[in-house]
Amino acid sequence: EDQVTQSPEALRLQEGESSSLNCSYTVSGLRGLFWYRQDPGKGPEFLFTLYSAGEEKEKERLKATLTKKESFLHITAPKPEDSATYLCAVRKSHGSSNTGKLIFGQGTTLQVKP
Amino acid sequence: GAVVSQHPSRVICKSGTSVKIECRSLDFQATTMFWYRQFPKQSLMLMATSNEGSKATYEQGVEKDKFLINHASLTLSTLTVTSAHPEDSSFYICSARDLWGSQETQYFGPGTRLLVL
Repeated sequence: EDQVTQSPEALRLQEGESSSLNCSYTVSGLRGLFWYRQDPGKGPEFLFTLYSAGEEKEKERLKATLTKKESFLHITAPKPEDSATYLCAVRKSHGSSNTGKLIFGQGTTLQVKP
Repeated sequence: GAVVSQHPSRVICKSGTSVKIECRSLDFQATTMFWYRQFPKQSLMLMATSNEGSKATYEQGVEKDKFLINHASLTLSTLTVTSAHPEDSSFYICSARDLWGSQETQYFGPGTRLLVL
């Protein structure tokens, strides 16, 4: 069964304390792994798409990496404004096309204290 | 990044009435849009996939006669909650897929908070 599991569920960090969020997946025919940030009462904000093992992408204090079984979202020297829920989702192959719905994890709620 | 808008951002209605929510992709054409529902402190639940010019594909357990979806153009999809009841109160979020060459990104709207009294 296709599954996406994020850990931890919640993470509290002090400002400047670097850490990583994990997204483990079991899906056949991965067609992209997506990271989103969601603030309370708002829609998810797109961060990264990763397609193949070994791929890395960076944006400000965030860096996403991908292996064949999991993805990590590394947060370097976080600030209070990085506090949010981070969602991971995977898209699997749908026949011969690149369509297919996203399968979301439950998210990791990050709180960064000043 | 690409922008997806939703209107209204929040709506309060009486039980039994219908509510229409619009989703627009503002700077790209989206042949596929998605409608999600999100309960407090939970992840997104896909309700249906909307393809321009064709009928929507609903997820198991989602009533297609209650949640009417229309995708009349490449930039607009609408979700109508018919005969709304208090249990339909939720946060509804649309999403649009942007295909650029081999890259594919799915952008989300800001969400619509529906409260049915």
